[in-house]
Amino acid sequence: QSVLTQPPSASGTPGQRVTISCSGSSSNIGSNTVNWYQQLPGTAPKLLIYSNNQRPSGVPDRFSGSKSGTSASLAISGLQSEDEADYYCAAWDDSLNGLVFGTGTKVTVL
Amino acid sequence: EVQLVESGGGLVQPGGSLRLSCAASGFTFSSYDMHWVRQATGKGLEWVSAIGTAGDPYYPGSVKGRFTISRENAKNSLYLQMNSLRAGDTAVYYCAREYSSWGMDVWGQGTTVTVSS
Repeated sequence: QSVLTQPPSASGTPGQRVTISCSGSSSNIGSNTVNWYQQLPGTAPKLLIYSNNQRPSGVPDRFSGSKSGTSASLAISGLQSEDEADYYCAAWDDSLNGLVFGTGTKVTVL
Repeated sequence: EVQLVESGGGLVQPGGSLRLSCAASGFTFSSYDMHWVRQATGKGLEWVSAIGTAGDPYYPGSVKGRFTISRENAKNSLYLQMNSLRAGDTAVYYCAREYSSWGMDVWGQGTTVTVSS
């Protein structure tokens, strides 16, 4: 019963652009920054985007993040086979006084 | 090399207790806020707790009053004391370092907790 809603799945062919949405509310995305994580099968999550649109060192610029109002998005351009993974958004929630993760999106490279 | 290594997971009966540990290396542990995040098999990520550099703890409602996070900077170690465990607490537990704005950039490999009779 996560408060951040993501589509269960997304897909694209190699080279395509894929966008994943993360819908929240005024108490989380609307008033706090959003982070995005990639989780490859059987591994720990990896920070992809922090503070809405910042990439940690080593993350390819194919990954980009944005935020508008109570929603955020992660875009993957030039999709590659190694991008096949689960993706999660996360944000602090002022009402719950805690960190909340999105429901997760499984990206498939066709 | 920056690294986090969890330990202490295992099988415990409902109502029992378990203490997880996370050993940090390769960075100045005392300078970072730290987190525990869990993931049940086939499910999404769930934040479990956080602790600031000053030792200030944070918990979601689901574990508040049952779990206690602590740190021992002299030993570069993070802990999670889990009491009154329930079947719903069964998951892989990860410790993670906070990089910026609640974003976690370094994660351990996880330790598995199974609550079952």
